[in-house]
Amino acid sequence: QVQLVESGGGVVQPGRSLRLSCAASGFSFSSYGMHWVRQAPGRGLEWVAAISSDGRNEYYADSVKGRFTISRDNSKNTLYLQMNSLRREDTAVHYCAKRGNGWYEIDYWGQGTLVTVSS
Amino acid sequence: SYVLTQPPSVSVAPGKTARITCGGTRGKSVHWYQQRPGQAPVLVIYYDTDRPSGIPERFSGSNSGNTATLTISRVEAGDEADYYCQVWDSSNDHPVFGGGTKLTVL
Repeated sequence: QVQLVESGGGVVQPGRSLRLSCAASGFSFSSYGMHWVRQAPGRGLEWVAAISSDGRNEYYADSVKGRFTISRDNSKNTLYLQMNSLRREDTAVHYCAKRGNGWYEIDYWGQGTLVTVSS
Repeated sequence: SYVLTQPPSVSVAPGKTARITCGGTRGKSVHWYQQRPGQAPVLVIYYDTDRPSGIPERFSGSNSGNTATLTISRVEAGDEADYYCQVWDSSNDHPVFGGGTKLTVL
């Protein structure tokens, strides 16, 4: 079965960096685009970034463009999110998510990892 | 950029039918996610009407004009959750989510 397991969250001061990882299993990781989606406390879902199956194409929400970098290592079945210049408003549960067979839906989500930006 | 409009809350008695709307969907395929408290989202309807394996037949979807609707028949206590609609922004190549609807089972 598909499993997505995020790690790397924690408490970090404003302006510092953090790298999230997502270990994927149960499917052909190198065949699917992947997303990061976040959810601030008590708020809705916000798409953050996406990457194509081969890692050549990256897409970012305006709120993180220039600060966050999505990447993947298909040899390790792992997705990453490098988060630099963190702001308090980046505080959220960050979910790793798999693009569906139909391309435009998300068919599996990880359990999420909490990033708290606070001094 | 797309804006999807959902009612903040919907309440329904057990055994009744709940309908959750999502406005702003004209010309788009719509996907729906259920998020129980403290859990990750789960896909319950994709491409307007399709149901992933393991999702009860009580869950159905429709999309007409500028509004999509998620219908939950014979509502159970376990259906209490937040529900989010989603479309794809083809211009910017990324998903867009509605604000979410909290379903309360009375």
